[in-house]
Amino acid sequence: AQSVSQHNHHVILSEAASLELGCNYSYGGTVNLFWYVQYPGQHLQLLLKYFSGDPLVKGIKGFEAEFIKSKFSFNLRKPSVQWSDTAEYFCAVMVGNAGNMLTFGGGTRLMVKP
Amino acid sequence: DSGVTQTPKHLITATGQRVTLRCSPRSGDLSVYWYQQSLDQGLQFLIQYYNGEERAKGNILERFSAQQFPDLHSELNLSSLELGDSALYFCASSAGQGLGYTFGSGTRLTVV
Repeated sequence: AQSVSQHNHHVILSEAASLELGCNYSYGGTVNLFWYVQYPGQHLQLLLKYFSGDPLVKGIKGFEAEFIKSKFSFNLRKPSVQWSDTAEYFCAVMVGNAGNMLTFGGGTRLMVKP
Repeated sequence: DSGVTQTPKHLITATGQRVTLRCSPRSGDLSVYWYQQSLDQGLQFLIQYYNGEERAKGNILERFSAQQFPDLHSELNLSSLELGDSALYFCASSAGQGLGYTFGSGTRLTVV
């Protein structure tokens, strides 16, 4: 079965710092990849997704992610974080033979200090 | 508002009891997914329904069951509740293959 690893469980940054959150998945076939964000007390919201094509995907709120197939990675980046980016971030993978099921990583809690 | 509606938002119940969580998917979405989010297990997929039929099953306990009705709303039934069942239960809906999910706000279940 596929799995998703997010190596950073907690990240603390100051405003304007750059962000990179790691995500690795284990599945050798074709995957769809997603990043979701969960602000405190809210539901998960889609930040961006990758299906095919350009491996550099741009999402909402200035986030982007790069799919590197050879490394089974889909890292999330943002050049300059804001206090409002404080949230938990989840990477997820969907494989075609898994009934359209999303498998989530354990999440990374980001705290941005003003 | 994501368009996926979950009720109730909060639920406190005693061990051994049974509860029903309700989810109305976004208009036009045929697929409904249930996830459990807890501190120690993270986000765990429970079950998926597509247009009334069970499509995929994940780490769902035998004490838990779900169904999707003709109007596409879904219910997750949790019985013989244990303290460890305390968690956030999310419902999500999807319009089709590979399109990603839209999540509801969740139901926070506390078993005391």
